[in-house]
Amino acid sequence: GAVVSQHPSWVICKSGTSVKIECRSLDFQATTMFWYRQFPKQSLMLMATSNEGSKATYEQGVEKDKFLINHASLTLSTLTVTSAHPEDSSFYICSAGRGGVSGYEQYFGPGTRLTVT
Amino acid sequence: AQTVTQSQPEMSVQEAETVTLSCTYDTSESDYYLFWYKQPPSRQMILVIRQEAYKQQNATENRFSVNFQKAAKSFSLKISDSQLGDAAMYFCAYCTGTASKLTFGTGTRLQVTL
Repeated sequence: GAVVSQHPSWVICKSGTSVKIECRSLDFQATTMFWYRQFPKQSLMLMATSNEGSKATYEQGVEKDKFLINHASLTLSTLTVTSAHPEDSSFYICSAGRGGVSGYEQYFGPGTRLTVT
Repeated sequence: AQTVTQSQPEMSVQEAETVTLSCTYDTSESDYYLFWYKQPPSRQMILVIRQEAYKQQNATENRFSVNFQKAAKSFSLKISDSQLGDAAMYFCAYCTGTASKLTFGTGTRLQVTL
């Protein structure tokens, strides 16, 4: 159990266009999802916390208007990169939190590689 | 602010041997969770082991165990009987409670040699 999917797994888009990345918790409900960005050979950097039914909480330095996050249901969060530029090229990873009798864990999606040309 | 430090950028271990990866953290909280995640070349993050701060007993998952020293704010990962499939980036992470964000260390790249 506790599977998180991401779609697409990779995407190439032209500079100035927008691209949407979906994150789904397949077998559990997640009131909170997280979006990370990872540059090559670096750690994960949290971009924002996505809460179902409310506005996302962005980390300092992350442009809210560029990275639009929507958490429309308990199993789906989306990240839209608006007016993408080459510097937005990166690996984007989502995760979903689940608590239970065994404790709290975050489960990660397989990631989306975005290339902006 | 909470910080997580992994002082070993790279480690190497021979197959079947034991290796320990270090992690220290800084927090003023008394209740929190600590994790070790593995990221193989596929880049899929995989949870290796989890420790709740209120538990004194060190967590163990098969060949993986931790040495949790709360007073020293240390959380090391021991991998026993290392296998080629253990080769990956290992990230230490911290969060304060349920539904809270993870703070990651910079990672340790583990090589497993024959």
